Amino acid sequence: QSALTQPRSVSGSPGQSVTISCTGTSSDVGGYNYVSWYQQHPGKAPKLMIYDVTERPSGVPDRFSGSKSGNTASLTISGLQPEDEADYYCCSYAGSYTWMFGGGTWLTVL
Amino acid sequence: DVHLVELGGGLVQPGRSLRLSCAASGFTFDDYAMHWVRQVPGKGLEWVSGISWNSASIGYADPVKGRFAISRDNAKNSLYLQMNSLRPEDTAFYYCAKGARDSFDYWGQGTLVTVSS
Repeated sequence: QSALTQPRSVSGSPGQSVTISCTGTSSDVGGYNYVSWYQQHPGKAPKLMIYDVTERPSGVPDRFSGSKSGNTASLTISGLQPEDEADYYCCSYAGSYTWMFGGGTWLTVL
Repeated sequence: DVHLVELGGGLVQPGRSLRLSCAASGFTFDDYAMHWVRQVPGKGLEWVSGISWNSASIGYADPVKGRFAISRDNAKNSLYLQMNSLRPEDTAFYYCAKGARDSFDYWGQGTLVTVSS
C-alpha cells in the first residue's frame, strides 16, 4: 500500500480556478468510482468535500467539483476564495475493505 | 447533529498497548460503517482501519495489521481500537470517522497517541 500521489502544493488568486490531481493505480483510483476529497484547515478535523468521484455533500459549495480519468482523479475549485486555503486530501477505496489517502496538497490563495 | 468523541489517547511506552474508544451520537450508529484515520502532527492522513455496520467486514492498513484490532458495540454506540505492540511510528492523532458509502462524512476532533520511552 503506497499513498496516492498528489502535488505538495498549488496556488491561485481569488476568483481563479485550481485543479489538484490524485494519481493511483488500477487497484485503487482506476478500479473503483469511490474517490473522495477532504479539506483540512490547520488544527481542525478533515471535512468531506466530494464523494463517489463527483458527488458533493449537502452544504458544500458547487465551486468544488471532482472528476476522474483512468488512474487519476482531480478536484477543481473555481472562483477561489480566501477561506479555501487549506490542505486537501484525496482518498480511494483500494479493495478488500481498505482505503488509501493521498499525501495531501496545500492550497495557497494568493 | 452527528457527534464523535475519541477517548483514550496518551503517552505509552514502545511495546505496550492502548485502547481507544469513540462515542457516537446524533445518528443511527448501527446503520453505518466506522473507521479510524490517523495523522502524524504536521503530516498527512492515513487510513488505519474500518468496520462495517455489523462487524462482518473489517480491514486494516498494512502498517498496523496484526497489531491493531477494531471493534464496535452497537448497543453502546461505541467504536474501539485496540492497539498492541505500539511503535514510535504509531505516534499520531487518531480520528474516528463515520462511514458514508465509501467515504468518511463526519469526523471527531481526534485524540493524540504518543509512543515514547
